Amino acid sequence: GAVVSQHPSWVICKSGTSVKIECRSLDFQATTMFWYRQFPKQSLMLMATSNEGSKATYEQGVEKDKFLINHASLTLSTLTVTSAHPEDSSFYICRVGRGSTDTQYFGPGTRLTVL
Amino acid sequence: TQLLEQSPQFLSIQEGENLTVYCNSSSVFSSLQWYRQEPGEGPVLLVTVVTGGEVKKLKRLTFQFGDARKDSSLHITAAQPGDTGLYLCAGSGGGGNKLTFGTGTQLKVEL
Repeated sequence: GAVVSQHPSWVICKSGTSVKIECRSLDFQATTMFWYRQFPKQSLMLMATSNEGSKATYEQGVEKDKFLINHASLTLSTLTVTSAHPEDSSFYICRVGRGSTDTQYFGPGTRLTVL
Repeated sequence: TQLLEQSPQFLSIQEGENLTVYCNSSSVFSSLQWYRQEPGEGPVLLVTVVTGGEVKKLKRLTFQFGDARKDSSLHITAAQPGDTGLYLCAGSGGGGNKLTFGTGTQLKVEL
């Protein structure tokens, strides 16, 4: 069965609105989760590292005020795209893993389309 | 910044052919993983290699980690349409359990 879930699986919103994406670890507690963005036919780009109980660590070039991350529990991290614009349309994927050589579990992804 | 370049970027072949995908970097990684991703889904782990020179086989897929742990290759024998997908290598070693993904190789296997 699934180890990581994401909700919603797809969302369409109007420009200027905010969208929240959830990532849940179903089988184990995760102090760290990772958020990626993927444009069509491209690779995954790490956006930020979500840390339970503390602030997220953002990659260079990712606006922390635009992509709000909250990791309030050991099984849930949320990514909120604030004031979304068409260029934010992408496939957003979360990852959960316990160690660098342990199996890494990816969520099924969330397709965001901003009109 | 650790970068992983994959080649080729796109590959379209006929069923039964063999192919090799390369993943190269100037950085050393403590481990390297290969994933396959289908449209609209998350990546699925194929293999993890951790030792320089290591070779792993998974049915028709053969994975090799370079001696210096800077590069890797994926060889598919007798490709089938079910092998179609986006193949991604990902290196670990930047600290904090970070994974750096390669640029990706889109494979299409036709009948």
